[in-house]
Amino acid sequence: DAGVTQSPTHLIKTRGQQVTLRCSPKSGHDTVSWYQQALGQGPQFIFQYYEEEERQRGNFPDRFSGHQFPNYSSELNVNALLLGDSALYLCASSQTGGQTYEQYFGPGTRLTVT
Amino acid sequence: AQTVTQSQPEMSVQEAETVTLSCTYDTSESNYYLFWYKQPPSRQMILVIRQEAYKQQNATENRFSVNFQKAAKSFSLKISDSQLGDTAMYFCAFMTNTNAGKSTFGDGTTLTVKP
Repeated sequence: DAGVTQSPTHLIKTRGQQVTLRCSPKSGHDTVSWYQQALGQGPQFIFQYYEEEERQRGNFPDRFSGHQFPNYSSELNVNALLLGDSALYLCASSQTGGQTYEQYFGPGTRLTVT
Repeated sequence: AQTVTQSQPEMSVQEAETVTLSCTYDTSESNYYLFWYKQPPSRQMILVIRQEAYKQQNATENRFSVNFQKAAKSFSLKISDSQLGDTAMYFCAFMTNTNAGKSTFGDGTTLTVKP
């Protein structure tokens, strides 16, 4: 049973560029949440997708957007990259209607903005 | 605002000894869940233990146990018989019923187990 997978593992971008990160949830899960983890800090909630719609959103600007596909996989897009966007981006999946409080995390994508 | 505070940025413990990591949180909601996650240097976040706020009994998972004090909004993690593999960053987090899937995390405690 594959767990949560994310791609790519590492990414280096220049200020002003755009980036897309990808996440495949654990088998049987239908909800995906994205988090940003700056170095030395705890993860911060960006947003959550369920039934291909954004259901909850944290305190992040509109430059951060996402998408969920019919197979429950998800993308996180960040436009007009800033140096401060450099972080580890974590995807977590869960099953709505079941034990939704239990989230499984992927290994993350390390984004470096230069 | 909902917050989680971990007041110990770094801790160390000798192998086979016991260590307790502290966590306090603040929420106005009554139905929520509390978690401890482990993030080793390889960075994959792993759930260590969880506690439902409506349960009075403290959760236990093998060498890991919690001390949940709801009135004080305190949720500490005790690791018994510490092992070298326990070396990691530990995060305390909670999630409310009304915001399922949205976890609020503390800034973590770096735990080093010394041989």
